Amino acid sequence: DIVMTQSPDSLAVSLGERATINCKSSQSVLNTSNNKNYLVWYQQKSGQPPNVLIYWASTRESGVPDRFSGSGSGTDFTLTISSLQAEDVAVYYCQQYYSTPRTFGQGTKLEIK
Amino acid sequence: QVQLVQSGAEVKKPGASVKVSCKAPADTFTRHYMHWVRQAPGQGLEWMGIINPSGGSTTYAQKFQGRVTMTRDTSTNTVYMEMSSLRSEDTAVYYCARDRGLGGGWLDRWGQGTLVTVSS
Repeated sequence: DIVMTQSPDSLAVSLGERATINCKSSQSVLNTSNNKNYLVWYQQKSGQPPNVLIYWASTRESGVPDRFSGSGSGTDFTLTISSLQAEDVAVYYCQQYYSTPRTFGQGTKLEIK
Repeated sequence: QVQLVQSGAEVKKPGASVKVSCKAPADTFTRHYMHWVRQAPGQGLEWMGIINPSGGSTTYAQKFQGRVTMTRDTSTNTVYMEMSSLRSEDTAVYYCARDRGLGGGWLDRWGQGTLVTVSS
């Protein structure tokens, strides 16, 4: 199984500042035949199901604000929120869809400082 | 917005079984695989398995093999997740979620979740 490890576990950032969340996979999730990284980022607000932010490691889902961006390749990935807004308070998860079982990171809790 | 509508909360005793349903729009049912994911209170997301609603084929996480069965009813566009031999550690919110493609994609739409409480 591919193990997904996020860092940090929790993060407090001031409004308007940058937030960065990291995700590391135990094996590469890059498919060299199509040059795509099988990595997705979800946002989960309290009491709600998760919501897709970024797929293919760096493609923003329709309707997601452009302050959210994803980067990385192979085994190391980053979710960046360029200017934190109050509504961004949530838990963020990465997940690989390269292989079964699909595995999630443990989550990163983002709060306002 | 695609709506996946799940059944209501359940309270079960240890050793019992539970069956959670997830109704999807017709086009979702025929074009997309469906996953089940659970989340224990205050914990992270745990992938349980996937079903092809059209053909009925399934793949389960090893942890749930033998205890979870995923099925579908094509006449009502509904997928089901049944778990047997429940224990307190199975207390969680259970989500169905749509695969963006034919089993090789991310989970792009989620149901509202079904809370299953296992308690004596």
